[in-house]
Amino acid sequence: GAVVSQHPSWVICKSGTSVKIECRSLDFQATTMFWYRQFPKQSLMLMATSNEGSKATYEQGVEKDKFLINHASLTLSTLTVTSAHPEDSSFYICSARDPRRGENTGELFFGEGSRLTVL
Amino acid sequence: GQNIDQPTEMTATEGAIVQINCTYQTSGFNGLFWYQQHAGEAPTFLSYNVLDGLEEKGRFSSFLSRSKGYSYLLLKELQMKDSASYLCAVKDSNYQLIWGAGTKLIIKP
Repeated sequence: GAVVSQHPSWVICKSGTSVKIECRSLDFQATTMFWYRQFPKQSLMLMATSNEGSKATYEQGVEKDKFLINHASLTLSTLTVTSAHPEDSSFYICSARDPRRGENTGELFFGEGSRLTVL
Repeated sequence: GQNIDQPTEMTATEGAIVQINCTYQTSGFNGLFWYQQHAGEAPTFLSYNVLDGLEEKGRFSSFLSRSKGYSYLLLKELQMKDSASYLCAVKDSNYQLIWGAGTKLIIKP
């Protein structure tokens, strides 16, 4: 299947600093990528849809100035958590659809996830 | 509002069969997905149903009834490695995925 890779897998940072998470589609081009966050024992929450070459579309309640998304190429999207606080500690996961498989199934391929801990 | 309901946790015995139910109320329907998520890992795709009926894939099967807003995931010949959370997700009329909270499946020897 299609491969999506995320980096870093784990990150610990001090409160007030910024953290960048990368999401790469390794064997396909993704014009759209999705960023989720997941708190323990809770479901995935879509934060934003990242669009190559244009601005990301944020879900209601997600601060676009805090969670900066850049989709500069067809294989890379980045999420930067700015001025991180302990409440931002969470599991962040990116995903993408493989256009070679068509849009009919809508199957998502997920990155490995990035666990952020803000001290 | 949009809502997906699935049990929080289930326990089953190795070698047995378990059925995980999912009911949904969404604005439109364009398919239902089941994903498996092991602790600390990202979800992986299991199945996709868009028409009523049963889809079988090895030890896993998924059923859909659109008129009832209901689906289930059936796992046969359970193995210890099947211990994971199982997420039900529905694609609504805007082709947005609405996620359930997941069912944590515990397999006992």
